[in-house]
Amino acid sequence: GENVEQHPSTLSVQEGDSAVIKCTYSDSASNYFPWYKQELGKGPQLIIDIRSNVGEKKDQRIAVTLNKTAKHFSLHITETQPEDSAVYFCAASKNYKLSFGAGTTVTVRA
Amino acid sequence: SQTIHQWPATLVQPVGSPLSLECTVEGTSNPNLYWYRQAAGRGLQLLFYSVGIGQISSEVPQNLSASRPQDRQFILSSKKLLLSDSGFYLCAWSVSGVSNSPLHFGNGTRLTVT
Repeated sequence: GENVEQHPSTLSVQEGDSAVIKCTYSDSASNYFPWYKQELGKGPQLIIDIRSNVGEKKDQRIAVTLNKTAKHFSLHITETQPEDSAVYFCAASKNYKLSFGAGTTVTVRA
Repeated sequence: SQTIHQWPATLVQPVGSPLSLECTVEGTSNPNLYWYRQAAGRGLQLLFYSVGIGQISSEVPQNLSASRPQDRQFILSSKKLLLSDSGFYLCAWSVSGVSNSPLHFGNGTRLTVT
């Protein structure tokens, strides 16, 4: 099955700085890569996703890049704010089954 | 709009007791339904998924079972809980028939087995 590795496991950034989370996947047939944000006591919420026919996607302060050849994808958050503090999960999918990374706990310091 | 409900939010159960967690989805028909478990500091592990009433696929061998008695109802059960069943259980849905449709999660059930 698909194996997704996510790094780092924790990330502390100063407010206003950028945060980058990286993931690798094992199955070259995976073609859908969503990112989820989970706040304490809640379920994960989709924040951005990218499909394998696209190399980069941006939504305001959030961007995701995909390198199919290297089988890795990254989440970039610019101008971080305190409300960006949460656990972020990457995932990879083919068809309808998602495999998740172990998560990154992001702390934005004021 | 679509909504997903899970209950209870928290649950403390003794070892050996039965379990029933319920999830319902509103505002959509024939969704794909999923049960995930999240252990502390770890990612989300897919336990079961369903593409239709009575159709359940199990991803990992375990002490749990799932059922889908109605189109938008998904139930996670156990006859006898183990300590290792403790965790955060998440129900999710996605649009059926659409490849790589995003998952939408409920707010989860925190299960502690004592």
